[in-house]
Amino acid sequence: DAKTTQPTSMDCAEGRAANLPCNHSTISGNEYVYWYRQIHSQGPQYIIHGLKNNETNEMASLIITEDRKSSTLILPHATLRDTAVYYCIVRVVWYKLSFGAGTTVTVRA
Amino acid sequence: ETGVTQSPTHLIKTRGQQVTLRCSSQSGHNTVSWYQQALGQGPQFIFQYYREEENGRGNFPPRFSGLQFPNYSSELNVNALELDDSALYLCASSPDIPTAEAFFGQGTRLTVV
Repeated sequence: DAKTTQPTSMDCAEGRAANLPCNHSTISGNEYVYWYRQIHSQGPQYIIHGLKNNETNEMASLIITEDRKSSTLILPHATLRDTAVYYCIVRVVWYKLSFGAGTTVTVRA
Repeated sequence: ETGVTQSPTHLIKTRGQQVTLRCSSQSGHNTVSWYQQALGQGPQFIFQYYREEENGRGNFPPRFSGLQFPNYSSELNVNALELDDSALYLCASSPDIPTAEAFFGQGTRLTVV
């Protein structure tokens, strides 16, 4: 029951910004957008979340469009350790996260 | 502050057997959720426990059950194992705040043969 659409994969050059898009056209007014990533063989790692304002933390920035139908996760300076599957999640009910297939991001030297 | 820990890390079971997986939540977190991740797919929500009660459940049959203890640690039990139960089982803990992020453990890799 994932409500998001993400590209299957993308490449990024080390040291450059990585911009990961996500479409969530059916999002409701009180539903948050969350981003997690999963490095191979590890548990998912929380990155950032937001409702309607842009958010920034030490890992990334989250840009949400004014109509809230899409968002972009920005990794400002990608490193090889950022190679992972990135999941964009719209939290429909508070007790669970509905993961889709995510975007496989490969950072190349 | 310790993170979420799961045990065991790997195990192999035979079809029809029962298995118990364990999870210790992060300090201060009273909510524990369990997810199943098949190979090549995103994690799928099994259920959540809050203050020792099941608080929400995904589309999994009753042979998937759980417990949460007074110290907020948790167990996932799966009866009558099937080959399709082979997966990475993830535990996540979070504080009692609806929008709080969940912190995941490293998972238990279950193989059913």
